[in-house]
Amino acid sequence: DVKVTQSSRYLVKRTGEKVFLECVQDMDHENMFWYRQDPGLGLRLIYFSYDVKMKEKGDIPEGYSVSREKKERFSLILESTSTNQTSMYLCASSSEAGGPYEQYFGPGTRLTVT
Amino acid sequence: AQTVTQSQPEMSVQEAETVTLSCTYDTSESDYYLFWYKQPPSRQMILVIRQEAYKQQNATENRFSVNFQKAAKSFSLKISDSQLGDAAMYFCAYRGNYGQNFVFGPGTRLSVLP
Repeated sequence: DVKVTQSSRYLVKRTGEKVFLECVQDMDHENMFWYRQDPGLGLRLIYFSYDVKMKEKGDIPEGYSVSREKKERFSLILESTSTNQTSMYLCASSSEAGGPYEQYFGPGTRLTVT
Repeated sequence: AQTVTQSQPEMSVQEAETVTLSCTYDTSESDYYLFWYKQPPSRQMILVIRQEAYKQQNATENRFSVNFQKAAKSFSLKISDSQLGDAAMYFCAYRGNYGQNFVFGPGTRLSVLP
């Protein structure tokens, strides 16, 4: 079974603090994604990566950056948190081999910024 | 840009009954993939069922089936013999044939009443 893990389930940070969320997948997937999930808005893509050191902006990249130094690891960085970044953050991975390219999700990190 | 709409924010069903969740999408592509994901309370998002647009036959997975109407751009999920464990948020998702990204709908919260 594909396993996607995230470094924290719950985080509480103060405004202005730096946050580092890490995601690891164990199935050699090329693609990795970071989403934020908010009620009524579904999942919105922040960034994705299709290869090591490659990244593409998603729909809401402002206030976030990412890093992918190894194929299995994709990190989301919030350099200076603000209260409007309080949300659930989901990581996912997928393969480009064959199809139909389903995404596998981690358990999520619920971030609260006070 | 593709969009996915789920017009039912919340639904409820009696245990053992059948419920249908609606999803419509907008795209100009002819080849694509559609997915239903389930997110139980405080648990990981998992794939329920997938459909390739080039396949005319509706996908089925045990008690879960879809009604895929390509011309109408509709992709509804039918859950038969509903069980308490089916209570969750359900997300409809679209992925085009050329590109790694998914587009998610806002979700439908399903309650199962004993």
